[in-house]
Amino acid sequence: EAGVAQSPRYKIIEKRQSVAFWCNPISGHATLYWYQQILGQGPKLLIQFQNNGVVDDSQLPKDRFSAERLKGVDSTLKIQPAKLEDSAVYLCASSSQPYSNQPQHFGDGTRLSIL
Amino acid sequence: SQQGEEDPQALSIQEGENATMNCSYKTSINNLQWYRQNSGRGLVHLILIRSNEREKHSGRLRVTLDTSKKSSSLLITASRAADTASYFCASSSGSRLTFGEGTQLTVNP
Repeated sequence: EAGVAQSPRYKIIEKRQSVAFWCNPISGHATLYWYQQILGQGPKLLIQFQNNGVVDDSQLPKDRFSAERLKGVDSTLKIQPAKLEDSAVYLCASSSQPYSNQPQHFGDGTRLSIL
Repeated sequence: SQQGEEDPQALSIQEGENATMNCSYKTSINNLQWYRQNSGRGLVHLILIRSNEREKHSGRLRVTLDTSKKSSSLLITASRAADTASYFCASSSGSRLTFGEGTQLTVNP
């Protein structure tokens, strides 16, 4: 089966600019996650979708970050305006069910650098 | 504070040796999972151990869980150069996985 697809792989922007990332999960996976991974740290959950509904966005900085999954398949994560501390890898993952006893399948991420 | 702390932060061994990584967590869990991340790539699920299990094996991997101490360990036997990667534990509570900081394992040929 095809894995989780993410684009772009790399993005360099200046602070205060906006940026968007795209994710296509594994076919049939209803649950989609966005994580932020700062260099040298583990991934931190930003938002979890079940189909096109939000399950958990408690750690999403909503003043600058937004995410949507309009048709319950692919998803976009947006940052506007970007800050220096947003430099990180943004990982998308999917699972077949929303329960945490299911393994999550990760894409290779988008590496974001803020100048 | 971060839930899920790995120890050691970095580990360097020779091919053929065993590698042991430890993980501690802070709250009660449904299960604990281990993932591997190669440089520049996404995480890959390795193994899941449920809260009512004490030990689990998968190929060269052995995971233990001690819920009384809120800790887990991952043992990789007969390591290979291809095992070089970062290893993360992830504690499961409710619908959320919380990842630790990871252990960077280097296996020298």
